[in-house]
Amino acid sequence: AQSVTQLDSQVPVFEEAPVELRCNYSSSVSVYLFWYVQYPNQGLQLLLKYLSGSTLVESINGFEAEFNKSQTSFHLRKPSVHISDTAEYFCAVSLMFSGGYNKLIFGAGTRLAVHP
Amino acid sequence: DAGVTQSPTHLIKTRGQHVTLRCSPISGHKSVSWYQQVLGQGPQFIFQYYEKEERGRGNFPDRFSARQFPNYSSELNVNALLLGDSALYLCASSSPGLAGGTQQWQYFGPGTRLTVT
Repeated sequence: AQSVTQLDSQVPVFEEAPVELRCNYSSSVSVYLFWYVQYPNQGLQLLLKYLSGSTLVESINGFEAEFNKSQTSFHLRKPSVHISDTAEYFCAVSLMFSGGYNKLIFGAGTRLAVHP
Repeated sequence: DAGVTQSPTHLIKTRGQHVTLRCSPISGHKSVSWYQQVLGQGPQFIFQYYEKEERGRGNFPDRFSARQFPNYSSELNVNALLLGDSALYLCASSSPGLAGGTQQWQYFGPGTRLTVT
């Protein structure tokens, strides 16, 4: 069965410092991986996705994630965080149904707290 | 274009009551999925609908049901509410896949916060 493990429930960091949010997945088939961000009292926003091709994917706001098949990981990184990056971050993997439909399986989330 | 919309934003119900949550997908998207997010946890899949048919179902009791309408909007119904049903209910939509089915990624609405007392 596919599953997602986010290794840190909370990550405190100072503004302008680098950060890494860790995600490991288990799957025996081709994987499609995602990072979503959830700001307080809001829904989830798609941050970036890995479908195929280059193992390094980037978002428009400076985040990047690297797909590592041998380590079954999809860690999220940012070289310099801002106060506005404070949010809950969810790693997810897509599980296919027959007919080409799918559901997302989420990790428990990592709360990123950026301090001035 | 508008994103995924959900109504109501908040809802308070009493144990044993019934609730209906509504969702409108992004224009052009034909698939709607429902997720339950309990406080402090990641979202859990409940249903996926595509072209008005159920395409997938998560591990939820039969008290949970849903349907999709010809305009691709959707309703989630929960009967005989329990305290444990208190959660943020998220709706997500996705566009058709190039080879059938749906695209792998989904866009989420703001959610409906359900409190059962």
